[in-house]
Amino acid sequence: DAGVIQSPRHEVTEMGQEVTLRCKPISGHDYLFWYRQTMMRGLELLIYFNNNVPIDDSGMPEDRFSAKMPNASFSTLKIQPSEPRDSAVYFCASSQRDGPQPIQETQYFGPGTRLLVL
Amino acid sequence: RKEVEQDPGPFNVPEGATVAFNCTYSNSASQSFFWYRQDCRKEPKLLMSVYSSGNEDGRFTAQLNRASQYISLLIRDSKLSDSATYLCVVNLDNTDKLIFGTGTRLQVFP
Repeated sequence: DAGVIQSPRHEVTEMGQEVTLRCKPISGHDYLFWYRQTMMRGLELLIYFNNNVPIDDSGMPEDRFSAKMPNASFSTLKIQPSEPRDSAVYFCASSQRDGPQPIQETQYFGPGTRLLVL
Repeated sequence: RKEVEQDPGPFNVPEGATVAFNCTYSNSASQSFFWYRQDCRKEPKLLMSVYSSGNEDGRFTAQLNRASQYISLLIRDSKLSDSATYLCVVNLDNTDKLIFGTGTRLQVFP
């Protein structure tokens, strides 16, 4: 398997522009997570999906952020309008639940998208 | 109080040394515990899960103390390739949400 695929790997944009980040999870995984990592705040969970349905978006910083998962093999995270404080590395991760409890499932991360908003 | 707290380091140790990291978590309902490793400018990767009875994987040993709500990672016979940031990870309540510590940086020198 190719692992979790993210695109673009790097994005430089100007304040006010729309940014769309893309993720393809590992085939067969039923959970997908979007994280943001900065030096100051570390790795923060933004939103996660189960079977394409958003389960918890409490980490989404504000209305400028939105995420969709139209099918099991694709998800997007959109920032509109972007601001300099959105500059960070955005990771997508996927996992598979083998039983009724989230006991020891492993999350597999993509390589991340480095976003710089000028 | 942060949900997961780690000493950011850096820990600078010579090759062959033994080094230990601790991590504390605030939610007593947490059920799953992990150590992830993150190399510079790379994604986090699972290093090992942490079981209640403690577990060992080669040179790495993880321990869980539920009463004190802390997790530890011991690395024996450090290698240069162990240089990385080690992230303590705890699930939130009994959900699929993972809370990551900000990481402890390890630098192993020759």
